[in-house]
Amino acid sequence: QKEVEQNSGPLSVPEGAIASLNCTYSDRGSQSFFWYRQYSGKSPELIMFIYSNGDKEDGRFTAQLNKASQYVSLLIRDSQPSDSATYLCAVGVSGNTPLVFGKGTRLSVIA
Amino acid sequence: DAGVTQSPTHLIKTRGQQVTLRCSPKSGHDTVSWYQQALGQGPQFIFQYYEEEERQRGNFPDRFSGHQFPNYSSELNVNALLLGDSALYLCASSLASGANVLTFGAGSRLTVL
Repeated sequence: QKEVEQNSGPLSVPEGAIASLNCTYSDRGSQSFFWYRQYSGKSPELIMFIYSNGDKEDGRFTAQLNKASQYVSLLIRDSQPSDSATYLCAVGVSGNTPLVFGKGTRLSVIA
Repeated sequence: DAGVTQSPTHLIKTRGQQVTLRCSPKSGHDTVSWYQQALGQGPQFIFQYYEEEERQRGNFPDRFSGHQFPNYSSELNVNALLLGDSALYLCASSLASGANVLTFGAGSRLTVL
């Protein structure tokens, strides 16, 4: 059974710091990796996705993928209180297989 | 550009009843996926529709069924509701060519009493 594991948190960081969110997955055949942000009571919104090993940057967000270690992370630079949310990691085996989501990590950015 | 719209936003049912949830995908999207998100959990895949056919299905019983219409909108039906069906039901649309890049709707929160 495909599994995606995340630390449930809460992860607390001071405003302006770097928040590091981690995710591991069980299926070595996984090809696509997504990070979604979900505010309390709202639906998930896509932050970014990554397909290849290494880093991918988009503004204050950097996704890091290490397929050998089956590990993907999300770094948020200059964290803001508005970044406080639950961050969901999702993994797909191929372009058309359904995403498997982790339970999410709750991030709290303290002003 | 309208995103994914879902209705109703909230509903309360009793055990044994049936419910229908509706979803209109984002303009230009042709694939609709349904997810169930229980409190404190990540979304769980129910099924995916493309070209009016169920293309993939997750580990959900036959009480969960769906439909996609020619205009790409979709319905999720749940029969014989159980207390454990209480959850946020999320519809996500995408392009068949990039089916894993999902855009989620606001969800329908179902409470079963």
